[in-house]
Amino acid sequence: DTGVSQDPRHKITKRGQNVTFRCDPISEHNRLYWYRQTLGQGPEFLTYFQNEAQLEKSRLLSDRFSAERPKGSFSTLEIQRTEQGDSAMYLCASSRGGADGYTFGSGTRLTVV
Amino acid sequence: GQNIDQPTEMTATEGAIVQINCTYQTSGFNGLFWYQQHAGEAPTFLSYNVLDGLEEKGRFSSFLSRSKGYSYLLLKELQMKDSASYLCAVASGGSYIPTFGRGTSLIVHP
Repeated sequence: DTGVSQDPRHKITKRGQNVTFRCDPISEHNRLYWYRQTLGQGPEFLTYFQNEAQLEKSRLLSDRFSAERPKGSFSTLEIQRTEQGDSAMYLCASSRGGADGYTFGSGTRLTVV
Repeated sequence: GQNIDQPTEMTATEGAIVQINCTYQTSGFNGLFWYQQHAGEAPTFLSYNVLDGLEEKGRFSSFLSRSKGYSYLLLKELQMKDSASYLCAVASGGSYIPTFGRGTSLIVHP
């Protein structure tokens, strides 16, 4: 297993466009998390899946954001009608749960122009 | 909610020891994590503490005092490659989902 994979690594989009990011977790990890990180800040929690069930969503996740994990494996995060404030690094992480630390992917850097 | 506080920046000399502190306020504490993040890269897991005391892992050690809402990460025999941001994160409220602090940027100079 090569770890958590995220695609694309970089995305530049015009304001108002929709974007979708993909995350492939470590195969034996049943928990998957999305975070957002801006420069000089720690990662901010967005949402969490256990298998295919979305169990928690942050208040940061406005109605323009949606995440899915249809078969309990890979996950997608979609942002509709992007705004400049959405520019950030979007990090995906997976874990076995409990006290295990997360394994983060390399992230998708979104720039909204 | 949670309030996590750590210094913004620290500098240290190669070969020295540095202690990065983290204080937090939370209810239903479920553990404290430390992560290392090099510029432009993803965070990597360093340690997890849920009971009071010191956990040692090679050059890195992490300490927790739940009654004081306090943790520190101790880095020994500093190397240039230890220059990175160190993130303190606290899990609470029946969830193991950590809330991250802003991170401490550590600069190691020769």
